[in-house]
Amino acid sequence: EAGVVQSPRYKIIEKKQPVAFWCNPISGHNTLYWYRQNLGQGPELLIRYENEEAVDDSQLPKDRFSAERLKGVDSTLKIQPAELGDSAVYLCASSLDGDSYGELFFGEGSRLTVL
Amino acid sequence: AQSVTQLGSHVSVSEGALVLLRCNYSSSVPPYLFWYVQYPNQGLQLLLKYTTGATLVKGINGFEAEFKKSETSFHLTKPSAHMSDAAEYFCAVSGTGNQFYFGTGTSLTVIP
Repeated sequence: EAGVVQSPRYKIIEKKQPVAFWCNPISGHNTLYWYRQNLGQGPELLIRYENEEAVDDSQLPKDRFSAERLKGVDSTLKIQPAELGDSAVYLCASSLDGDSYGELFFGEGSRLTVL
Repeated sequence: AQSVTQLGSHVSVSEGALVLLRCNYSSSVPPYLFWYVQYPNQGLQLLLKYTTGATLVKGINGFEAEFKKSETSFHLTKPSAHMSDAAEYFCAVSGTGNQFYFGTGTSLTVIP
C-alpha cells in the first residue's frame, strides 16, 4: 500500500515568491492534515480536512496561506507571498476516519527554504 | 484543551543502556496518547499509542510506554538502546475534535 506522498521534497525560493506543495494521502483516508514543523520543534497544525471540507483552519495564516482539497482526495497548500519566517518543513498526514485515537500517517515532508 | 511537555530536548545514552524519554500531558478530557519517531529527512512514524485499557503499551522496535493518570505522564522506555534508535521522538495527545497536539521533541543520541 502506498503511503502519503508529498512533493516537492525540497524547495528554495526567494522571499515574496509563491510556492505550492502537493499531498496525496493514503487511499481511503478521509482526513487530511497539513502541519508545519520548524527546526527543532514539533509539528503544528495548519489545517485539517474531513473529505473536502476544511474543518479546522484556525491556525492557517490566511493572509498568505491557502489550501484546497478538491474532490476530497489530494490537497495543495500554497504560500503567496513567502516570507523568511516560512522556512520550515511542511508535513502532510492522513488518517482513516479522523477519530482522535486513530493513527496519523505522515508523508516525508516538503522542506522550504526562503532566502 | 490538550498539550504535552517533553522534558529534555536532548538525551544521550550508551548502546545497551536504558532509554527513558519523558512526556507529561495536560488534558481536560480522557486523553489518547501517542509516541512518534522521526528519522532524519523523514516523516513521523507511530511507535505506540494509548487509548483505553491496559496502561502499559508495547510498540514497535522494543519500545513501551506506561500511562500514569495520577502523574499525567506517558514516558517512553526501552530496556537496551541500539544505534538504530537514534532519532527524534515526539509525544502527542488528542482528545475531542480530532486534534493532535505534539510536544517539541526529544533528540536521542546513542553512543557506541
